[in-house]
Amino acid sequence: DTGVSQDPRHKITKRGQNVTFRCDPISEHNRLYWYRQTLGQGPEFLTYFQNEAQLEKSRLLSDRFSAERPKGSFSTLEIQRTEQGDSAMYLCASSLTQGFSSGANVLTFGAGSRLTVL
Amino acid sequence: AQSVTQLDSQVPVFEEAPVELRCNYSSSVSVYLFWYVQYPNQGLQLLLKYLSGSTLVESINGFEAEFNKSQTSFHLRKPSVHISDTAEYFCAVSLNTGGFKTIFGAGTRLFVKA
Repeated sequence: DTGVSQDPRHKITKRGQNVTFRCDPISEHNRLYWYRQTLGQGPEFLTYFQNEAQLEKSRLLSDRFSAERPKGSFSTLEIQRTEQGDSAMYLCASSLTQGFSSGANVLTFGAGSRLTVL
Repeated sequence: AQSVTQLDSQVPVFEEAPVELRCNYSSSVSVYLFWYVQYPNQGLQLLLKYLSGSTLVESINGFEAEFNKSQTSFHLRKPSVHISDTAEYFCAVSLNTGGFKTIFGAGTRLFVKA
């Protein structure tokens, strides 16, 4: 197992363009999370999947953001009509959690996808 | 709603000196507590966790943290730091009753000087 993989590692785009990030979690992990991290801040929760179901979305996730996890494996995070304020590191994490209501998640993070919007 | 406050954004310390990184949390229900570490140019990784049982938990590289329910704190300590401990440290909480997300503090940058 090679851990959590994210692609691309870096993306530079012009304001108004659409971007998509991909995350491949650890294969046996049932939960997948997306976070956003800006300079000097901790990771901010964006959304979370249990298998293929998206169970929670942060208010930070505007209508321009959409995330999917088809078949409960890899996930994509798409940002439409990017704005300069979207510039950040987008982090994916996965966990294997027993029990639907357990919050005892130990997260394994990927290296992140850095987005720069010009 | 739960929140995490890390009281120091940067902590410079000399090698072999002790260090304490402070973390306080706010939650109306009981929580699980974590410290994650991010070394330069690497992803976040778990350092230690408190789920239940003994309130003092330890990592494999000499860090320890103590859960203090009355003070809602989970401070991280090491009696003698090394240059290699230079990193950013994040305190995090998740709910143990029906919540799924983990909330992170803003981080504390530990800089160990020779």
